[in-house]
Amino acid sequence: ETGVTQSPTHLIKTRGQQVTLRCSSQSGHNTVSWYQQALGQGPQFIFQYYREEENGRGNFPPRFSGLQFPNYSSELNVNALELDDSALYLCASSLDRGNQPQHFGDGTRLSIL
Amino acid sequence: KNEVEQSPQNLTAQEGEFITINCSYSVGISALHWLQQHPGGGIVSLFMLSSGKKKHGRLIATINIQEKHSSLHITASHPRDSAVYICAADTSYGKLTFGQGTILTVHP
Repeated sequence: ETGVTQSPTHLIKTRGQQVTLRCSSQSGHNTVSWYQQALGQGPQFIFQYYREEENGRGNFPPRFSGLQFPNYSSELNVNALELDDSALYLCASSLDRGNQPQHFGDGTRLSIL
Repeated sequence: KNEVEQSPQNLTAQEGEFITINCSYSVGISALHWLQQHPGGGIVSLFMLSSGKKKHGRLIATINIQEKHSSLHITASHPRDSAVYICAADTSYGKLTFGQGTILTVHP
């Protein structure tokens, strides 16, 4: 059984650029959640995808967007990057929405110069 | 005030000690998660519970729904238990609200 994998592991961008982060969910999982974790902080919920539809969104601006594909893998896109977007981006997949253990990837460390 | 509060923020223990990390939440939840994060970022799910108590090896998690409080206990702590422990409240269909984490260091 393949776990949750994220790519790339590290990324350096400059202000104003755009970035796409990728997440392959665990086999059989139809729900993917994305989180942003700033240094020294707990993760913050960005949004969740369930069966290719957005199923809830946290307090993040529209320049944070996502997709989920028919194989339930997912992408996080961030436009017009700002210095404060520097963080660890985590995705987690689960068997279904709600009341399910979440399986996390190792994250993508994004640095904005 | 954060919706999910953990205490203590930092915890240092000697090998073999019994450890308790506390989590209080102010929101309605369907489940409470305990997670472990090692340096480098990887997060491992330890427990998900909505009532009572769960045990896995030396780890025990309890929750009191009426008091909106959960605890994570580690018996016979070991240096390999050193990590950040995070509680997270499932407030709606798997959307987690996280505490700020407890940094645990266990010395040999």
